[in-house]
Amino acid sequence: KNQVEQSPQSLIILEGKNCTLQCNYTVSPFSNLRWYKQDTGRGPVSLTIMTFSENTKSNGRYTATLDADTKQSSLHITASQLSDSASYICVVSPSGANNLFFGTGTRLTVIP
Amino acid sequence: NAGVTQTPKFRILKIGQSMTLQCAQDMNHNYMYWYRQDPGMGLKLIYYSVGAGITDKGEVPNGYNVSRSTTEDFPLRLELAAPSQTSVYFCASSYTSGKNTGELFFGEGSRLTVL
Repeated sequence: KNQVEQSPQSLIILEGKNCTLQCNYTVSPFSNLRWYKQDTGRGPVSLTIMTFSENTKSNGRYTATLDADTKQSSLHITASQLSDSASYICVVSPSGANNLFFGTGTRLTVIP
Repeated sequence: NAGVTQTPKFRILKIGQSMTLQCAQDMNHNYMYWYRQDPGMGLKLIYYSVGAGITDKGEVPNGYNVSRSTTEDFPLRLELAAPSQTSVYFCASSYTSGKNTGELFFGEGSRLTVL
């Protein structure tokens, strides 16, 4: 069964600290993995997209890693800001299909 | 560019009523999608379209219908609304399909409550 699991469900960190969010998936065959940021009451916004051959990709203070062998990905946020408070969603796309598999997200709260 | 525009943002329906959620994109994307997002759950695909005149069912299509008469518009029709359709609905579009690395652009969402 194709699944995407994220951990932790929620996380509270102090402003300026770093954090790492985890994503494990069982989607097969694999095409690409995406991380989205969803602010409360808004639509998801793409942060990174990685294919099978890519093991790291950065977007400013966001760095995503991918281990396609173990089917794990992480999103590292450096020097967190209050505006990083949001849900972060891991999304996996199987090859040969138009559907995407969404994780339930990690709710990050950055406090001053 | 406005991107993906959804209307209405909020709506309350009575059981059995019908309504249409509107979605329009101005990026000339071929692919358009409708998702629903329930509390504590990942987004689920309702319907998608790979171009004008072509639509297909996603993971949870029951109780919904779509049409794609133009590249820009992809309305979602709810017939005989049920409490189980209470959710936040997101429309999205992309230049290429999700199985490729086409980035998805989402609308702001439509929050629907069925009482």
